[in-house]
This record gives sequence, structure tokens and C-alpha cells, in this order.
Amino acid sequence: EVHLLESGGNLVQPGGSLRLSCAASGFTFSNFAMSWVRQAPGKGLEWVSTVSGGGGSTSYTDSVKGRFTISRDNSESALFLQMNSLRVEDSAIYYCAKKLSSGYFPFDSWGQGTLVTVSS
Amino acid sequence: DIQMTQSPASLSASIGDRVTITCRASQGIYNSLAWYQQKPGKAPKLLFHGASRLESGVPSRFSGSGSGTDYTLTISSLQPEDFATYYCQHYYNIPPTFGQGTKVEIK
Repeated sequence: EVHLLESGGNLVQPGGSLRLSCAASGFTFSNFAMSWVRQAPGKGLEWVSTVSGGGGSTSYTDSVKGRFTISRDNSESALFLQMNSLRVEDSAIYYCAKKLSSGYFPFDSWGQGTLVTVSS
Repeated sequence: DIQMTQSPASLSASIGDRVTITCRASQGIYNSLAWYQQKPGKAPKLLFHGASRLESGVPSRFSGSGSGTDYTLTISSLQPEDFATYYCQHYYNIPPTFGQGTKVEIK
């Protein structure tokens, strides 16, 4: 059974940094692209970033380009999101999500989420 | 970016009712369409991909259809556990985008 467990969410001031982690188990981690998807309180879902299975290819939504960096450690089955220059509008639950397969596919497994609050 | 527009934003229905939710893409997405169910305080759950391919374990009262830019999620007989928010998502290209959600409430 696939299991994804996020951690690292916290309250941070605008301009601050935070590093989110996602521990994966139950599947061959390196075979699947992984993503971060966020949801502001009471709002809809927004894709943030995706990294390929090998880690060599990344993509980001425009609003986080240059501020967020996605990475992975396949030896540890772990996914990361380094978040710098945080803004109030980055406040959300951040979900780690596994893609169904390589290429253009939806997210078939999700973690429970970790809450990031950006506020002074 | 491809915009996904869901309708209605919310609906009230009774147990046993047939419920239909629609999702329109701003351009053709060639059935690269997924539906998710999200209950309060929980992560989204994938129901369909490929517009109509039911995920393992999803009850057969759920069905998906559509092509081109217009897609539909149907629940043939609403059950108590189906009260939730439903999202469509395209994955045709980057960025993948979601509809704004449809909240299904008890009448």
C-alpha cells in the first residue's frame, strides 16, 4: 500500500523560508514522478511542482518559479520542497502526491498534507 | 494555461438521487481528464482518469464521460458517503490545472 507522509509545515513570517519533506513507502519510489499540490484554506487545489523519477527534470507553477525548489532523494524515498521568499499567498496545506505513471498522468496517491502559514 | 470550469459550484441532493457534474476545458484536452473526491479534512482521492477509467475500488455508481472540451461525472444513486467536494483536473500539459470544485451537500 502506498503511503506518503509530509512534514515540515509551520508558521513563518513573510520573506522567510521553509523546507517540506515527504516520506514515501509501499512502491518503487524512483519509478514515479512526484509532485506538490497545495490548497489554501477553504479554497481549491493548485499544482505547485513536479519532479521526474530520476530527479533530473522539474517543473513549477509560475507563481513559485525562482522561489521554490523541488528535489528528491531516491535512496531515502523522500521528496522535498524548499520554499524561499515566502508570501502570505503561499499559505496552504501542501500535499505530496504520486503520479499514476511517467509522462502526463494524474495523481493517484496523496499524503495527508502539512500546513504552511505565512503571516507576520 | 488551460482553464477548467466546473458547474455547478454546489448542489443539494437527496439519497438515491442521480447527480451530474460538468467540467469544461478552455481547449481540447483529448480525454486527459481526472476526477477527484475530497471529504473535509482529507486529501483528495482519485476517482477516474482518462475521463472514464474508474479507479480500483471506486463504486460502479460513479461514471465519467466526455470528449474534447466537455466532460461529466455522474453518480447514479447518491449514497451518504458521497457527500463531498469533487474536482476535475486536466493533465494534458503543464501546468495541470483543477476546476474550482463542486460541493455536493445533503438536501
